[in-house]
Amino acid sequence: DAKTTQPTSMDCAEGRAANLPCNHSTISGNEYVYWYRQIHSQGPQYIIHGLKNNETNEMASLIITEDRKSSTLILPHATLRDTAVYYCIGVNAGNNRKLIWGLGTSLAVNP
Amino acid sequence: GAGVSQSPRYKVAKRGQDVALRCDPISGHVSLFWYQQALGQGPEFLTYFQNEAQLDKSGLPSDRFFAERPEGSVSTLKIQRTQQEDSAVYLCASSATKRQVSGNTIYFGEGSWLTVV
Repeated sequence: DAKTTQPTSMDCAEGRAANLPCNHSTISGNEYVYWYRQIHSQGPQYIIHGLKNNETNEMASLIITEDRKSSTLILPHATLRDTAVYYCIGVNAGNNRKLIWGLGTSLAVNP
Repeated sequence: GAGVSQSPRYKVAKRGQDVALRCDPISGHVSLFWYQQALGQGPEFLTYFQNEAQLDKSGLPSDRFFAERPEGSVSTLKIQRTQQEDSAVYLCASSATKRQVSGNTIYFGEGSWLTVV
C-alpha cells in the first residue's frame, strides 16, 4: 500500500471550506485513496474514496490530481463538529485485508 | 443494534491480568477486523475474520493476543498476562462484504479503552 503524508495539523474558520491535502506519490494504478476521520474518543468514520476521478458525496469532495500523486479532501462548509483527525489512506484493491493508517491531520474548526 | 458495539468501553487491568474484549458486529456482516490504536497514533491492524475463519492474524503483536469468532458473529479479543505496552484503544470494525475495499461498508465501533497499571 502506498505511503501517504499529510500535514500534522490545520485550522479552519467555521463556515469556510476546509481543504486537507495528502501526498501519495508512490501510489500504484490499482490503489484507491480513502479518507476517514476520527472525532475524539470515537471510532473512525468513513468519509469518501476515489481511484482516478473526483468524487463528491454528502459529506465532502475528493479532488485527485491527474498523476494521482496527491489529493485534497474538501469540506465545503466546515462546522465545529468537523473538528477531528483526518486520515488519508492508500488501499490496494488486490491486497485489501488491512488499512495502513498514518498519523493523519488534526483539523481544528474555530468559531 | 444499528452499529458495531464493543464492550467494555473502558477497562483498567493490573499487569499480568487477562482481559477479554467483545465485539458485536452489525448483524449479517461477513468481515470483522480488530485494530489497536495507541495514544496519538493511527489504528494498526491486528486480525481479520471472514465469517468464523480467521484469515489474517499477522498484526497480532505476540502470542499473548488471541482472537476468535466461533459462530461467525460476535468476536472476542483476548489478551493474556497484560503488559503496560498493551494500553491502547482496541477498535472493532465490520463489513458486509468479503472485500475490505468497499468504501462506506466498513463500520467501526467506538472502541474499548484498555489501561494496564
